[in-house]
Amino acid sequence: DTTVKQNPRYKLARVGKPVNLICSQTMNHDTMYWYQKKPNQAPKLLLFYYDKILNREADTFEKFQSSRPNNSFCSLYIGSAGLEYSAMYLCASSRGWGYAEQFFGPGTRLTVL
Amino acid sequence: GDSVTQTEGQVALSEEDFLTIHCNYSASGYPALFWYVQCPGEGPQFLFRASRDKEKGSSRGFEATYDKGTTSFHLRKASVQESDSAVYYCALGVNYNQGKLIFGQGTKLSIKP
Repeated sequence: DTTVKQNPRYKLARVGKPVNLICSQTMNHDTMYWYQKKPNQAPKLLLFYYDKILNREADTFEKFQSSRPNNSFCSLYIGSAGLEYSAMYLCASSRGWGYAEQFFGPGTRLTVL
Repeated sequence: GDSVTQTEGQVALSEEDFLTIHCNYSASGYPALFWYVQCPGEGPQFLFRASRDKEKGSSRGFEATYDKGTTSFHLRKASVQESDSAVYYCALGVNYNQGKLIFGQGTKLSIKP
């Protein structure tokens, strides 16, 4: 099974409220990634876990948190949603590091009102 | 900074037409180059990769050649089919130790039967 699952597929949130998105994979991949995709823009890497080590991009450091309680699951947490967080959030995983193939989930579409 | 530019936002062709989607990059060092394809309702899916100058990547009839001289990795297919309709992303791998990808904005390919 080479699928990456994301829950929920659609999420509606209110401004100022927290949001938690979930991703899972059963491929025993070391690395899990979160990307943000807005219309007419390229997918943008937010952060990734290699094993238990979290790496966050400098320009999104303050805005997103993540946890990885075990190898299979990874969450993306927004403490206080703003309108600018409305986007598609894509989770991906890969075996090891380097230029390995990344397997993507179908995404969670977050709408903040 | 490192970046990827896909010239065409949308491409419309008929079946059996020849396809070219242009991808140019800007990066220091020696990046890896990727093509991903995204069908509606799904996440991006790895198509192929090239890691060194003049290396050709290929899959499912698509191919691209890494050209360091022109900083390009153009996607080509000799004869497209309706099932090739999708969004195609060129991506740059800039940090081998992290597997970080920088994506282009994507090109939406529509094939008329």
